[in-house]
Amino acid sequence: RKEVEQDPGPFNVPEGATVAFNCTYSNSASQSFFWYRQDCRKEPKLLMSVYSSGNEDGRFTAQLNRASQYISLLIRDSKLSDSATYLCVVNIGFDTGKLIFGQGTTLQVKP
Amino acid sequence: EPEVTQTPSHQVTQMGQEVILRCVPISNHLYFYWYRQILGQKVEFLVSFYNNEISEKSEIFDDQFSVERPDGSNFTLKIRSTKLEDSAMYFCASNSRLQETQYFGPGTRLLVL
Repeated sequence: RKEVEQDPGPFNVPEGATVAFNCTYSNSASQSFFWYRQDCRKEPKLLMSVYSSGNEDGRFTAQLNRASQYISLLIRDSKLSDSATYLCVVNIGFDTGKLIFGQGTTLQVKP
Repeated sequence: EPEVTQTPSHQVTQMGQEVILRCVPISNHLYFYWYRQILGQKVEFLVSFYNNEISEKSEIFDDQFSVERPDGSNFTLKIRSTKLEDSAMYFCASNSRLQETQYFGPGTRLLVL
């Protein structure tokens, strides 16, 4: 089983659509969880951290289910500028900070 | 807003040559990392560094790789004898606490010919 698994997509959606991405992770000792965004040939940039209680930042909602080892990201009212690759990232390094990345889910928002 | 910087942005080298990739982490950060991303693949962890020591390294980080913090601001990755398969984007990252967000530099694109 892959350490962090995501559906690579691509997800092609019209502007204004709601889209959901899912991610599973295999290491039950994982410490912290993130969604990063990566534009083509650029560095990963933090979108949001993910907490068990769920957290929201504007149009973005992230959820963590530790029992199922499952992380989700919901994007509401998609904008053209949301087109990017979304990376599910898990910190498995309790005392080293090692991040494990999923392969990313590609989102293309069309007018 | 403080950011991680990396130089050079692009590096082309011949197989067998040594390369040094440079990073300036965010100034008050204590933990430093190198990751790489081969074209079309996922981002992979190489090494983490704290208090002038490697705290963890991956299988990729073999004897050809080394890291150094030569002064109070720079963090370098050296590849002693580059191979074709070292061609990738190399990202430096840093944070102030282990479980908090890591901030990534813009990367160095290394091409080994």
